[in-house]
This record gives sequence, C-alpha cells and structure tokens, in this order.
Amino acid sequence: GDSVTQMEGPVTLSEEAFLTINCTYTATGYPSLFWYVQYPGEGLQLLLKATKADDKGSNKGFEATYRKETTSFHLEKGSVQVSDSAVYFCVYNTNAGKSTFGDGTTLTVKP
Amino acid sequence: DGGITQSPKYLFRKEGQNVTLSCEQNLNHDAMYWYRQDPGQGLRLIYYSQIVNDFQKGDIAEGYSVSREKKESFPLTVTSAQKNPTAFYLCASSIADLYGYTFGSGTRLTVV
Repeated sequence: GDSVTQMEGPVTLSEEAFLTINCTYTATGYPSLFWYVQYPGEGLQLLLKATKADDKGSNKGFEATYRKETTSFHLEKGSVQVSDSAVYFCVYNTNAGKSTFGDGTTLTVKP
Repeated sequence: DGGITQSPKYLFRKEGQNVTLSCEQNLNHDAMYWYRQDPGQGLRLIYYSQIVNDFQKGDIAEGYSVSREKKESFPLTVTSAQKNPTAFYLCASSIADLYGYTFGSGTRLTVV
C-alpha cells in the first residue's frame, strides 16, 4: 500500500548548520507532496508543497524538490536557527480524500 | 481571520464516560478530518468528511463517532468503547486534497 518513509530522528544540529531530512514515498498515481511543521503543544502548519514532478516548494528558507524518478521529497535548509526546533512531517495526498503522513522527524537546534 | 478552532484545549474524562471534542472552521472548506497523535508518533486518521451529511471511517475509527450536520462543524465523540483514549486530537480541513490542510491547535484528552 501507499506509504511515506521519513528519516528517523531525533536530529540535533548546531545553529547555522545545513539541514536535510529525507523523505521517500511509495504511491500509485501522481500525488501532491507536503511538509508540515509542528511546534511543541500545537497543531501542524503547512510549511511547503509541490504538486507535480520537478516542482520546488519553498518557504522560510526551507526547500524541497519533488523527484518522481527517486520518489523523494527531501527537506533542506541552508542555515538552521534555534527557532526551527520542531517536528517535521512529510505527507502526500492523492485525490482520494485522505493523506498519508510520515512518522515525523524531531529537530533540535542548539545555539 | 479564517481558521479552525478546537475546543477545549485540555479535556479530562473519567472511565466509562463519553466526551465530545469540538471543531469549527470558517474557511468554507468542504473536507474535514480528525487525527489522533500519540507521544513521539505520527498522525493516525480517525474519520473524515468530504461533504455535509457524509463521512467515512479512517484507520482507527473504533470507539469514536462523528457528525457533519453543518459545513463549518465536525465534532468528534470519544465513546467509552475507546479503551485507550488518552492522546492529542487534531482537527483539519481542506478545500481540496491538492492544497494541503489547515490544522486546529488540538485538544489534549486525558483519562483520569
């Protein structure tokens, strides 16, 4: 069945380090792909999205490129800040009424 | 501003009680969803609704019930049949699958 596999956490980085969180998926059809961020005790917020192959989503310095050939949507940021500490979820949607979520990757950024 | 409001933020349930979690949106979204999140884990779908007066079971619907009488509202009832209800519950809505979800701020339910 359809699934999303995220890089296991927790991930701990120093401020200004480069971030990559890997995400791969198995799905039929042509899904849209998303990254959401969850800060402690809060709901999820949409961070970025890509709706077709080779699209690049970007927001707040984060980027992810929809790679159909490798079925991947890795999240990257060139220089992380302490305020980026959160849980990140990779998600895909097909046109079938529900989404498939990855398990989440916890990021801690230390000053 | 448009958004999703979940209430209450914290809820305590005694053994054997039913409790209802509220979810209201003013985004004019057709689809609404309920997810359960356990500590350190991802989200699991409980129920979803794509149109008023219609809803479908998700992956973990047993022990839960919902209604969708109005477009704006999608309340979730946690019944006494749910054996382990302590969790963080998240409501979401979307205008269409391809546009992503807007989430509420969640309700933390604890059994006492």
